[in-house]
Amino acid sequence: GAGVSQSPSNKVTEKGKDVELRCDPISGHTALYWYRQRLGQGLEFLIYFQGNSAPDKSGLPSDRFSAERTGESVSTLTIQRTQQEDSAVYLCASSSHETSGRAPGELFFGEGSRLTVL
Amino acid sequence: AQTVTQSQPEMSVQEAETVTLSCTYDTSESDYYLFWYKQPPSRQMILVIRQEAYKQQNATENRFSVNFQKAAKSFSLKISDSQLGDAAMYFCAYHWPGTYKYIFGTGTRLKVLA
Repeated sequence: GAGVSQSPSNKVTEKGKDVELRCDPISGHTALYWYRQRLGQGLEFLIYFQGNSAPDKSGLPSDRFSAERTGESVSTLTIQRTQQEDSAVYLCASSSHETSGRAPGELFFGEGSRLTVL
Repeated sequence: AQTVTQSQPEMSVQEAETVTLSCTYDTSESDYYLFWYKQPPSRQMILVIRQEAYKQQNATENRFSVNFQKAAKSFSLKISDSQLGDAAMYFCAYHWPGTYKYIFGTGTRLKVLA
């Protein structure tokens, strides 16, 4: 597709349930990020994928959170045993550049997945 | 540690007027990149403007320009001739050089009044 695609757009779940969020980056983009955006707050880094390198999972807030990406394609963010504090918008972004280089590439964002945990 | 501060949670501007959104940051690096991203109600963030720290000239993109003051670690965004479509959340971001990490501020919500 032309842009970063995320699904579902909105998800309402009950506390304790597992949820899976999907991100389809722009074709050819090697870098992929997941961020969490709580209401009224900035973007909180969760995880970074770069090609076939080991991902940086240092931003994942707990072991209930995990993410996978196959090569340079789709990524899924899974939250197990959801809690109310997990309610947020989860944003995915991709970039065509090696963003650790001197000139970081532009991040292209999806529209996010709004998660509400009741 | 690198931090980005946006001290204005919300701003309002009259249509066709000019508004300035402030951003300050903290870093010990000498060469880095700064960004302003816009997040409209659709939630999809888009890049507004980018500034490289070693360039003294302020970046400009049509009605959007920055006032980059490196010594003061200030990076404000000026929007001229404001339009209704400019209404959005604006995030300032710092790219941590040599890494893939971006540090985002908490955002400023801009309202444009007709």
